[in-house]
Amino acid sequence: AQKITQTQPGMFVQEKEAVTLDCTYDTSDPSYGLFWYKQPSSGEMIFLIYQGSYDQQNATEGRYSLNFQKARKSANLVISASQLGDSAMYFCAMRDFTGGFKTIFGAGTRLFVKA
Amino acid sequence: EAGVAQSPRYKIIEKRQSVAFWCNPISGHATLYWYQQILGQGPKLLIQFQNNGVVDDSQLPKDRFSAERLKGVDSTLKIQPAKLEDSAVYLCASSPTGENTGELFFGEGSRLTVL
Repeated sequence: AQKITQTQPGMFVQEKEAVTLDCTYDTSDPSYGLFWYKQPSSGEMIFLIYQGSYDQQNATEGRYSLNFQKARKSANLVISASQLGDSAMYFCAMRDFTGGFKTIFGAGTRLFVKA
Repeated sequence: EAGVAQSPRYKIIEKRQSVAFWCNPISGHATLYWYQQILGQGPKLLIQFQNNGVVDDSQLPKDRFSAERLKGVDSTLKIQPAKLEDSAVYLCASSPTGENTGELFFGEGSRLTVL
């Protein structure tokens, strides 16, 4: 069965510093995708970054990068140069590509950026 | 292109009453998801459709929840009778089908309060 684990309920980071949000996953499917979403207090889900299981290089999108370690089944999100607007909930998600494209989410990490 | 549309945005009902939520996905997206997000938690997959067929409904409380996707486009999620613990935001999302297809596209959500 698929499972996503985010073990950090809350994280603090100083403005302009980098922060890593942890995500581990479990699946028996050989082909899958990993996602990170941001959910500000307004409630909308904002897509940040995507990594396919067969991608050789770690995904990057601006200040976001995904540290993908397939053997350890981890997909940590790294935010560089944190900004006050980065304060939000962050969710890791996984979609399998061989079992019907089911997509599940972790419990989330609340990030607080301090000025 | 138009995004995922959901209605109503807000609904307040008494316990044991019924409620229905509507979702119109992005045109051409074969996969449609309904998630339940309780305050402070990650989205929980209730049901996933591929066109008008159900791919996964393992976490849908079928004694009170039902969902349909007629003609593989719009979808309706119904709760009858509602319980206090059903208070949550109900998120609809859609995506194209296929490997490495990237993000889910979310609607703004329907916030349900059960009194």
